[in-house]
Amino acid sequence: NAGVTQTPKFQVLKTGQSMTLQCAQDMNHEYMSWYRQDPGMGLRLIHYSVGAGITDQGEVPNGYNVSRSTTEDFPLRLLSAAPSQTSVYFCASSYGLAGGEYNEQFFGPGTRLTVL
Amino acid sequence: GIQVEQSPPDLILQEGANSTLRCNFSDSVNNLQWFHQNPWGQLINLFYIPSGTKQNGRLSATTVATERYSLLYISSSQTTDSGVYFCAAYGGSNYKLTFGKGTLLTVNP
Repeated sequence: NAGVTQTPKFQVLKTGQSMTLQCAQDMNHEYMSWYRQDPGMGLRLIHYSVGAGITDQGEVPNGYNVSRSTTEDFPLRLLSAAPSQTSVYFCASSYGLAGGEYNEQFFGPGTRLTVL
Repeated sequence: GIQVEQSPPDLILQEGANSTLRCNFSDSVNNLQWFHQNPWGQLINLFYIPSGTKQNGRLSATTVATERYSLLYISSSQTTDSGVYFCAAYGGSNYKLTFGKGTLLTVNP
């Protein structure tokens, strides 16, 4: 198993550009989520999905869009990049979140995004 | 939603020393995990421990769910233990794993 994979590893954008951060998992996990990590802020939830076709907002959803057309993939779209979106982005997945060992969350390696 | 607080925020140790990191959470939890973020930014799963005690080599963790805290013990620390340790918890029905702000551990040779 490759686990949770993310592409690209690094990206530089200009203000106003759009792009999609890719996330895929091969563990047949239902739950997937996107976090951003900023210095001194820990990790904050952007969007999450509890299964194909179902997504919802987290703490900091503004400026980001998601969709979940398959169990494996959960892309994060930046609609019009702003310098405030400079951050490290992590994708995570688990079978669920209701409790039990199989609900342990696993994280991808991250995407470091800079918006100029 | 659930609040997660970690202490101390920073910790500096000499190699070989032991340490205890604490995580307090504001409500009952279904999911509590400890992660290590290494200097390359990777988030490494350490423990899934909503209750009880687990051990993995020099690391162990205890969660006392009724008192709403979890402890991560690191014994005989090594320089490779350096990095940020995060606690994250989920409780309730809003599908949000909430992270604490982390403990920055520096182990000097």
